[in-house]
Amino acid sequence: DGGITQSPKYLFRKEGQNVTLSCEQNLNHDAMYWYRQDPGQGLRLIYYSQIVNDFQKGDIAEGYSVSREKKESFPLTVTSAQKNPTAFYLCASSTGQGGQPQHFGDGTRLSIL
Amino acid sequence: EDKVVQSPLSLVVHEGDTVTLNCSYEVTNFRSLLWYKQEKKAPTFLFMLTSSGIEKKSGRLSSILDKKELFSILNITATQTGDSAVYLCAVEPGATNKLIFGTGTLLAVQP
Repeated sequence: DGGITQSPKYLFRKEGQNVTLSCEQNLNHDAMYWYRQDPGQGLRLIYYSQIVNDFQKGDIAEGYSVSREKKESFPLTVTSAQKNPTAFYLCASSTGQGGQPQHFGDGTRLSIL
Repeated sequence: EDKVVQSPLSLVVHEGDTVTLNCSYEVTNFRSLLWYKQEKKAPTFLFMLTSSGIEKKSGRLSSILDKKELFSILNITATQTGDSAVYLCAVEPGATNKLIFGTGTLLAVQP
């Protein structure tokens, strides 16, 4: 079955540590997105990519980095510069064409030790 | 600044009730409005409304879009405990392929 796989489901970060969240899709979608979800704040866009080897900052990109070397994969690195990383992180993908919805993975919950 | 506002923030009803969730928006060059249901993990897609499709229905769920007044409603009739979830509204401004989300409405359906 086609879908979006995020791993791990839970992740703990120590002070000063970088961690990487994985997102893989087999839907043959061109566009991929990373969102952060905090209680009472809805989903906020971190980074997005509309095509391989290209990506753009979203509304809250500071302290995060991404790469898009393959169409299927869009990993997110939470760097030590992100001072408040505790949140639920959601990856999504879409065809990138008008009139098509984004589809989401099951998310990764990141906490600070 | 583009924004999406949902109301109420939370709602508690009993099985069999009908509920109406609201979503208002201010965005540049509106393209589409989407509703998602989020239970524990992944938001699941419910409806997309555009200028060419301002009313959608699927079973007990229906949604309409008022482009003049800049809002949408999501109706759920004969609610069931399985309808308990956070309902998210999102709007796509222009031809950006990006979505702006509201904060969501938490619906709790009691037996």
